[in-house]
Amino acid sequence: AQSVAQPEDQVNVAEGNPLTVKCTYSVSGNPYLFWYVQYPNRGLQFLLKYITGDNLVKGSYGFEAEFNKSQTSFHLKKPSALVSDSALYFCAVRDHRDDKIIFGKGTRLHILP
Amino acid sequence: GAGVSQSPRYKVAKRGQDVALRCDPISGHVSLFWYQQALGQGPEFLTYFQNEAQLDKSGLPSDRFFAERPEGSVSTLKIQRTQQEDSAVYLCASSSTGTNEKLFFGSGTQLSVL
Repeated sequence: AQSVAQPEDQVNVAEGNPLTVKCTYSVSGNPYLFWYVQYPNRGLQFLLKYITGDNLVKGSYGFEAEFNKSQTSFHLKKPSALVSDSALYFCAVRDHRDDKIIFGKGTRLHILP
Repeated sequence: GAGVSQSPRYKVAKRGQDVALRCDPISGHVSLFWYQQALGQGPEFLTYFQNEAQLDKSGLPSDRFFAERPEGSVSTLKIQRTQQEDSAVYLCASSSTGTNEKLFFGSGTQLSVL
């Protein structure tokens, strides 16, 4: 069965600094990997996905993520954080042979002005 | 509609009461998921439909939980004899393709069982 771990409950970053939100996964087959963001009082929104191909994927709002097969990781990154990036971030995984998409418990990102 | 619509937005139920939660996916979306999100946790998978077929219901926590999508569009999640541990936000998401590469989420139904 697939699973995903987000080891940090909260990440604090100063505005303008680079940010990283960590995610590791476990699947039996090839993974499909996703990041979603949840702003206060709003539904989850898709940020980016990795299906196949280039290990570095770019998504919405200047975010990117790097797929690392050997470390089974898919960390979310942004070169320069904005206060408006403050939100709850969820990593998700799907085994390519399955339809079920499993979410991590989330990481709260605080960008400090 | 423009997005995934869920109703009601809030539901308060007495323990033992039956509830029905509705999801209107984006028109034409093939796939539909239900998730349960407890406070401070990530969404937990409940069930998945492709058109009217329920392909995976492995996440439903008990036989008190039942979901349907009879015409391949609107879906209803029914919880019978609600318990306090059922209190959570219930999220619905839809996708335009069977590969489920991008989910569109509704705002959820917050269920409180007293």
